[in-house]
Amino acid sequence: DAKTTQPNSMESNEEEPVHLPCNHSTISGTDYIHWYRQLPSQGPEYVIHGLTSNVNNRMASLAIAEDRKSSTLILHRATLRDAAVYYCILRGGADGLTFGKGTHLIIQP
Amino acid sequence: GAVVSQHPSRVICKSGTSVKIECRSLDFQATTMFWYRQFPKQSLMLMATSNEGSKATYEQGVEKDKFLINHASLTLSTLTVTSAHPEDSSFYICSAPRHGVTYGYTFGSGTRLTVV
Repeated sequence: DAKTTQPNSMESNEEEPVHLPCNHSTISGTDYIHWYRQLPSQGPEYVIHGLTSNVNNRMASLAIAEDRKSSTLILHRATLRDAAVYYCILRGGADGLTFGKGTHLIIQP
Repeated sequence: GAVVSQHPSRVICKSGTSVKIECRSLDFQATTMFWYRQFPKQSLMLMATSNEGSKATYEQGVEKDKFLINHASLTLSTLTVTSAHPEDSSFYICSAPRHGVTYGYTFGSGTRLTVV
């Protein structure tokens, strides 16, 4: 998997939107952008993925830059249950995932 | 859909004994499963890939004789930690390809292994 860069941690207030950035300047044309999150003491959970166009699902939105060198995961209204480590991972094949350090999201009540 | 059930969630064993961890795909068939290990405050590290009906492939540095993987059916993969030592204490997590998500995965809930 190509390398991604994320901030180590971010803090937000409950019920406010959260924008989690990810830089992936070496992305190839066939790499998908995947986001997973890991709540404390649990296995990771799939959040969203995309290739070129912005994507929305019930959990979040994914905004992909036009040059695809960066993307942003958007949680529209954060809750305390969204406190987790969020991983941005590029996927070009069906082998195992390579996890970076991710972004530790802290939600303040 | 796409649920992977992992058991046990937590296990404590004595040094020198073996522990088996099971992962089952509940509502789909998984020809491939991946096993990860996560030490405290670190990220997940891929240990091995299990393939139904064939030998598992291990990542560099992972001892295949210590971490025995069996993928006997399309819905069950097991990881056995043999002759466990305190340094094997970790969070073990399995995952399977997630249908409908290109190159995506569904994860088990993890097994916290403590070797005393």
